[in-house]
Amino acid sequence: KQEVTQIPAALSVPEGENLVLNCSFTDSAIYNLQWFRQDPGKGLTSLLLIQSSQREQTSGRLNASLDKSSGRSTLYIAASQPGDSATYLCAVEEAAGNKLTFGGGTRVLVKP
Amino acid sequence: DTAVSQTPKYLVTQMGNDKSIKCEQNLGHDTMYWYKQDSKKFLKIMFSYNNKELIINETVPNRFSPKSPDKAHLNLHINSLELGDSAVYFCASSQDTSASTDTQYFGPGTRLTVL
Repeated sequence: KQEVTQIPAALSVPEGENLVLNCSFTDSAIYNLQWFRQDPGKGLTSLLLIQSSQREQTSGRLNASLDKSSGRSTLYIAASQPGDSATYLCAVEEAAGNKLTFGGGTRVLVKP
Repeated sequence: DTAVSQTPKYLVTQMGNDKSIKCEQNLGHDTMYWYKQDSKKFLKIMFSYNNKELIINETVPNRFSPKSPDKAHLNLHINSLELGDSAVYFCASSQDTSASTDTQYFGPGTRLTVL
């Protein structure tokens, strides 16, 4: 059974610092890995999707890496801003079907 | 303009009641999902439908019954509500079940509180 873990559970940084969020998963037979952002009281917004054959994806200040063999992904957010404050969720899509298994999230606070 | 919409946004009800949550997507997607986010913020898949056909049914009590009248709608009906059903329920949709590039689009969630 796939399990996804995110460490740390919460993170507070001053504005301008780079953020590093970690995600690990137990079963390397994944279809893809996705990072989402969740704002309080809101739904999830997809940030990046890394296919199982890829090593990383980039979008603006965001970069996500994937090491399938070790079951890890890292989301880097460069030059953090207060608007980056949110909960970041990692999810893996299993090889069969579109079932997403989520981690518990990392709650990020960027202080001005 | 809303891609995935859910109604109601908040639902407060008594134990034992029956309630429904509606979901609609205007993205033309073939697949829709229901997720439950508990008080510890863990998101877990409950169901998914592809073109009105059930394809994922996790271990969910049979008090929960999804209904898909057409591929743009996936409603969730809950019978005999229990305290443990209190959570935020998210609907989502995606285009293709087989594409490894296919992301899911989420609705804003429905916060269900059972008293």
